[in-house]
Amino acid sequence: GQQVMQIPQYQHVQEGEDFTTYCNSSTTLSNIQWYKQRPGGHPVFLIQLVKSGEVKKQKRLTFQFGEAKKNSSLHITATQTTDVGTYFCAGIQGAQKLVFGQGTRLTINP
Amino acid sequence: NAGVTQTPKFQVLKTGQSMTLQCAQDMNHEYMSWYRQDPGMGLRLIHYSVGAGITDQGEVPNGYNVSRSTTEDFPLRLLSAAPSQTSVYFCASRQGGSGNTIYFGEGSWLTVV
Repeated sequence: GQQVMQIPQYQHVQEGEDFTTYCNSSTTLSNIQWYKQRPGGHPVFLIQLVKSGEVKKQKRLTFQFGEAKKNSSLHITATQTTDVGTYFCAGIQGAQKLVFGQGTRLTINP
Repeated sequence: NAGVTQTPKFQVLKTGQSMTLQCAQDMNHEYMSWYRQDPGMGLRLIHYSVGAGITDQGEVPNGYNVSRSTTEDFPLRLLSAAPSQTSVYFCASRQGGSGNTIYFGEGSWLTVV
């Protein structure tokens, strides 16, 4: 079945440093979504990428979808303490199922 | 606007007990699902439903039952709780196809002793 691998599992940075998490699928995806989960909270939708090679930005967050639609990345520029949490990618193949990556837990030293 | 509501938020069960996690959404979403979240494992799909009267298994369905008698409600039943079912459970819903945003409930923390 479809697998979505996400790396790294953990990342600790100093406030102000950049952060990147990578997502790789074993199969071609139709879409990919990104979610953020604050400690003790629930996942919250950030963005969806649909097109091959697509790049979208949300303030300091940059999301990319690979040309082959099998990988994606989330890059945060100049992290802030409010960025703390776990970031999940979720790959979509077919009509109904999302398959989540394992998540990258980001911690920040102020 | 309540969104997706889960109850209870916290529960401790003894091995072998049964219980039901409740989930309700007020957004008239067709699709509802249950995930479990374990450290280092991400979110794994237990069961899902594409509409009232229709359910299907996800990645980790064993030990769980679901039903979807109404559009609003999607309860998850643990038949005979085991310590391996200690986890955080999230109910989620979305409108229509897989490309739409999923909305998660706040989670139910379950401990089986």
